[in-house]
Order: sequence, then structure tokens, then C-alpha cells
Amino acid sequence: DAGVIQSPRHEVTEMGQEVTLRCKPISGHDYLFWYRQTMMRGLELLIYFNNNVPIDDSGMPEDRFSAKMPNASFSTLKIQPSEPRDSAVYFCASMDSHYEQYFGPGTRLTVT
Amino acid sequence: EDQVTQSPEALRLQEGESSSLNCSYTVSGLRGLFWYRQDPGKGPEFLFTLYSAGEEKEKERLKATLTKKESFLHITAPKPEDSATYLCAVYSGGGADGLTFGKGTHLIIQP
Repeated sequence: DAGVIQSPRHEVTEMGQEVTLRCKPISGHDYLFWYRQTMMRGLELLIYFNNNVPIDDSGMPEDRFSAKMPNASFSTLKIQPSEPRDSAVYFCASMDSHYEQYFGPGTRLTVT
Repeated sequence: EDQVTQSPEALRLQEGESSSLNCSYTVSGLRGLFWYRQDPGKGPEFLFTLYSAGEEKEKERLKATLTKKESFLHITAPKPEDSATYLCAVYSGGGADGLTFGKGTHLIIQP
């Protein structure tokens, strides 16, 4: 298995623009998580899905953030409109039945 | 609310100098405690899962142990390639169901 795949790896955009991050989880994993990592706050859970259904989005900063999982092999995290404070590394992770989460390489987002 | 505290924040060792990293946690019903290694510009890489107090796991120069309040990651005779940030996380299954991470220990092994 190729592991968790994320795209793009780097994204630079201007404030106010829409940003879409993509994730392909490991096949067979029923859970998918989106995290954000910054120097100040470390790794923070944003939202997670179980069998493609969003279970808890309490970590999503505000209504500008939305996430979807249309099928078992694809998820998106969208920010609209983006702001400079959204600059961070965004990770996607999928989890197996032993509660072990495997992370993708991340998307480094810079909003200017 | 689950809480994880790692210490020290940073640690610099000479090659071959053994040491331990600490992870203290507070959870309501631990389902698992996880150790990850993160290299610059990469996602966290899974190392170990510990499920109950008294459990130990080993992998090369690393050994993880677990008590009811904390976990230790022991590094024996480290090499420069062990330099990384080591993250501890807990999974309780309550609340958000995601992992609750500590801030990590930035480990530097000098040759």
C-alpha cells in the first residue's frame, strides 16, 4: 500500500482565495482524520469521519472550513475564504482497527 | 478533556549517550498510547502502541513503557539518525475520538 496520499504538498495563495486540500486514505481503514500543525499549537484535530460520515467537527476553527468524504477513498478539506492565520501544515490520517493512525506527508499551506 | 504533556521540550545528546523522554497523560479511559517520530517536513511516523500499564515495546534502539499516568521512550546508545521530534499521543475514544497529542520532544544526537 502506498500509505496515505495528500495533495498538493505545498500551496501558496492570497488571502480571500478558496483552498482545497485532498486526501486518499489507506484502503480498508474506516476512519479518516484531518489535523492541523503549527509551531504554537502543535497538532490539532479538526474533523474525523467514520465510514465516510463526519462524526465530530468540533475542532474546525470556523465556518470558513468544511470537509467532505464522498467515498471511502477520497476526502477534501476546503477553506473559503482563506486568511493568513490559516497558514499551517495540514495532515490527513487514517486509522485501522487497532486504533493506530497513519499520517500522510501533509500539505504546507501559506496564505499571504 | 484528555491532556498530554511531554518533557523535556528539547534534548541534546552525544552519540551513544542513553536517555529517556517522558509523556504524562490524563484521560478518561485509555484505549491506547502512541509514540510517533516526526522528521522535518514529513508527517508523523508511527512507532509504538501501548494499551495497558506494564506493557513494553521495543524497536531497535527504542523502548517504550507505560504506567497508569505516564509513558517513557527510552533511547539506548542513540545515533545521529535518531534525531527527530518524538510525539506522544493518547486515544480515549471519548469526545472527538481523535488522537490528543503532546507538543513533542525535539531530540538532537550529536556525532
